[in-house]
Amino acid sequence: GQQVMQIPQYQHVQEGEDFTTYCNSSTTLSNIQWYKQRPGGHPVFLIQLVKSGEVKKQKRLTFQFGEAKKNSSLHITATQTTDVGTYFCAGFNQAGTALIFGKGTTLSVSS
Amino acid sequence: NAGVTQTPKFQVLKTGQSMTLQCAQDMNHNSMYWYRQDPGMGLRLIYYSASEGTTDKGEVPNGYNVSRLNKREFSLRLESAAPSQTSVYFCASSDQGALGELFFGEGSRLTVL
Repeated sequence: GQQVMQIPQYQHVQEGEDFTTYCNSSTTLSNIQWYKQRPGGHPVFLIQLVKSGEVKKQKRLTFQFGEAKKNSSLHITATQTTDVGTYFCAGFNQAGTALIFGKGTTLSVSS
Repeated sequence: NAGVTQTPKFQVLKTGQSMTLQCAQDMNHNSMYWYRQDPGMGLRLIYYSASEGTTDKGEVPNGYNVSRLNKREFSLRLESAAPSQTSVYFCASSDQGALGELFFGEGSRLTVL
């Protein structure tokens, strides 16, 4: 079945450093979504990418969708303690009817 | 506007007991989903309902059953709970199927002893 792989699994940074998480699929993705889950919370939607090579920004967060639509990345510039949490990417299942999530990257930030 | 509401929030079961997790959404969404979350495993899809009257298996359906009671409600049943089903369960809904943003409930933490 379709798999969405995320790396790294964990990342610790000092406040102010940059952070990047990568998402890779063995098959071409029609779209990809990113979610953030704060410790003890539930996943919250961040963004959806649809077009090949698409780049979207949300303040300090930059999302990219690869040209081949098989990979994506989330980059955070100058991390803050409020960025702590687990970041998930998600792509369609083969039937195109439900989202399959990667295992997530857990970010911790020390001040 | 409550969004997606799950009950109960916490439950402890003994092996072999049965229980139902309830989920209701008030956003008039067509699609609803059940995921489980285990440490290091991310979110795994158990079952989903693309629209009222339909249900389909996800990645890890064994040991579970679901009912799409109406457009608002989607329940998840464990007929004979096993320790491997200890997890946090999330219900989610979407108005555009997998094309749309998923709205998640707060989660239900289940422990099977």
